[in-house]
Amino acid sequence: KQEVTQIPAALSVPEGENLVLNCSFTDSAIYNLQWFRQDPGKGLTSLLLIQSSQREQTSGRLNASLDKSSGRSTLYIAASQPGDSATYLCAVTGGSYIPTFGRGTSLIVHP
Amino acid sequence: DTGVSQDPRHKITKRGQNVTFRCDPISEHNRLYWYRQTLGQGPEFLTYFQNEAQLEKSRLLSDRFSAERPKGSFSTLEIQRTEQGDSAMYLCASSLAPSYEQYFGPGTRLTVT
Repeated sequence: KQEVTQIPAALSVPEGENLVLNCSFTDSAIYNLQWFRQDPGKGLTSLLLIQSSQREQTSGRLNASLDKSSGRSTLYIAASQPGDSATYLCAVTGGSYIPTFGRGTSLIVHP
Repeated sequence: DTGVSQDPRHKITKRGQNVTFRCDPISEHNRLYWYRQTLGQGPEFLTYFQNEAQLEKSRLLSDRFSAERPKGSFSTLEIQRTEQGDSAMYLCASSLAPSYEQYFGPGTRLTVT
């Protein structure tokens, strides 16, 4: 059974910092890995999708990497802004095409 | 296309009542998923459909829960005889091969009193 862990559980940083969120998974036989953002009381917004054959994806200030052999992914956020404050979730999809989610990292970026 | 929509956005019900939620996926997406999320947790998989066929159900989905996708378009999730432990956010997502990138709706917040 796939297990997904996200570290840290919470993070508070001043505006402008570069930061790294971590996601680890136990079964390396994955189909893809997806990073999401969730604002309080809202649904999930897709940020980046990495297919199993890819090593990284970039969108604006966001960069996500994937290392299947070590069971790890990182989400790098450059020059953080208060508007980046949210919970960031990692989801790993295996051959069943059913995602397993981590518990998320709650990020606060203060001015 | 406006994305995945869910209705209602909020539902307050008394214990023992039945509730039904609706999800409209992105129109060309053939896969539709239901999840439940409680505070501080990631979404937990409940069930999914490929077109109109329900292909898998989680063990979390007790006999009180039933889901349908009658024409391979919208889906409904019904909870019978609600319990306080059913209080959660119910999320719907859709996807399409080959990427299977998940697109989520805004969720339905259920409160059972």
